[in-house]
Amino acid sequence: DAEITQSPRHKITETGRQVTLACHQTWNHNNMFWYRQDLGHGLRLIHYSYGVQDTNKGEVSDGYSVSRSNTEDLPLTLESAASSQTSVYFCASSESKDYTQYFGPGTRLTVL
Amino acid sequence: AQSVTQPDIHITVSEGASLELRCNYSYGATPYLFWYVQSPGQGLQLLLKYFSGDTLVQGIKGFEAEFKRSQSSFNLRKPSVHWSDAAEYFCAVGGRAAGNKLTFGGGTRVLVKP
Repeated sequence: DAEITQSPRHKITETGRQVTLACHQTWNHNNMFWYRQDLGHGLRLIHYSYGVQDTNKGEVSDGYSVSRSNTEDLPLTLESAASSQTSVYFCASSESKDYTQYFGPGTRLTVL
Repeated sequence: AQSVTQPDIHITVSEGASLELRCNYSYGATPYLFWYVQSPGQGLQLLLKYFSGDTLVQGIKGFEAEFKRSQSSFNLRKPSVHWSDAAEYFCAVGGRAAGNKLTFGGGTRVLVKP
């Protein structure tokens, strides 16, 4: 069955370190999204991609970057981790002709 | 800009009782509307969606939602809740004007009393 996976599921890092969170989907979807989930804020869009080599900033993109070199993967990089980036991160994907997004299981990131 | 408001942060309901979760949206064109459920420690699972047609939409796990354009609402209902319905529920809006992006509400956490 097609799926979307995220790794690691849990990560503890120190302030200032670079961190990369992986997202891999086997749906063959063109669209991929990264969100962060914080209490009281619901899900907020960080970055998104509509295809290979395409990336776009979401509403909370400062301090994050993504790259899309193939259809299946959209890694999220925190260039220099900050305590404010402690959160749960979700990856999602969707087809171009359908707006339904399918979510991964999430990565809980703690920045100390 | 599009937005979603879920007025109730927490709802407590007794097992077997009915449940209604409110969702109000703001969107400048024809909206596509979604309800997702998130169990503790899990990702979001699609419950149901509305694109067009019949304004009463049936979803999984016995849930339904009604689109009311005049009230900009898309409320979620279940006639009789089960203990396994305890979770957080998110309403989302999107549409052609927003590309393929969705905007999510802040969520409603449902607690089920035995």
